[in-house]
Amino acid sequence: SQQGEEDPQALSIQEGENATMNCSYKTSINNLQWYRQNSGRGLVHLILIRSNEREKHSGRLRVTLDTSKKSSSLLITASRAADTASYFCATGRGTTSGTYKYIFGTGTRLKVLA
Amino acid sequence: NAGVTQTPKFRVLKTGQSMTLLCAQDMNHEYMYWYRQDPGMGLRLIHYSVGEGTTAKGEVPDGYNVSRLKKQNFLLGLESAAPSQTSVYFCASSYWMGGGSNNEQFFGPGTRLTVL
Repeated sequence: SQQGEEDPQALSIQEGENATMNCSYKTSINNLQWYRQNSGRGLVHLILIRSNEREKHSGRLRVTLDTSKKSSSLLITASRAADTASYFCATGRGTTSGTYKYIFGTGTRLKVLA
Repeated sequence: NAGVTQTPKFRVLKTGQSMTLLCAQDMNHEYMYWYRQDPGMGLRLIHYSVGEGTTAKGEVPDGYNVSRLKKQNFLLGLESAAPSQTSVYFCASSYWMGGGSNNEQFFGPGTRLTVL
């Protein structure tokens, strides 16, 4: 299975509510990133959290990382219709061959109802 | 500043035909990537490049070739297209590839390829 697995696969909430999505991974990582993808568009970087960080904020976004549980969560507060998109986590780690790998999860589809 | 651009946006091929997807970035990034996105599969890395003149295999390289003759361009080639290569292809670039900062990837808008 893939390194990054998000849950839930789909989430539907009312405008103004908070949205929480989770990402689990299997191996040790250097950092974890969250991306947003609007329908039919490319991915846009939201936030990066390093393996030695536990929490990070950016505007209405809050990301936590628990390396002991190999999981991360993305919280979007006071959601807006414009937040409707798919959200992906991407884990980055070095490899034994000296290269670096990013692995993207399968994504959470968020729908914010006005 | 256009960021990352991809051409074409859409393409329909017949099995066995060949084509080249072009990716261009104007951010002077060293690192460039080609991904494919399939329903329920997330993004999978096909090939990547750590600088002009270099290429490396990603997770799903079979059936694809790449070239990075100029720093700003990264080409993805399909020599003999197969229906299994029907997908949306994304190019991305980054300043850095590794732990720490500056490894945010900037994505192009994607190319939707259908192989009949």
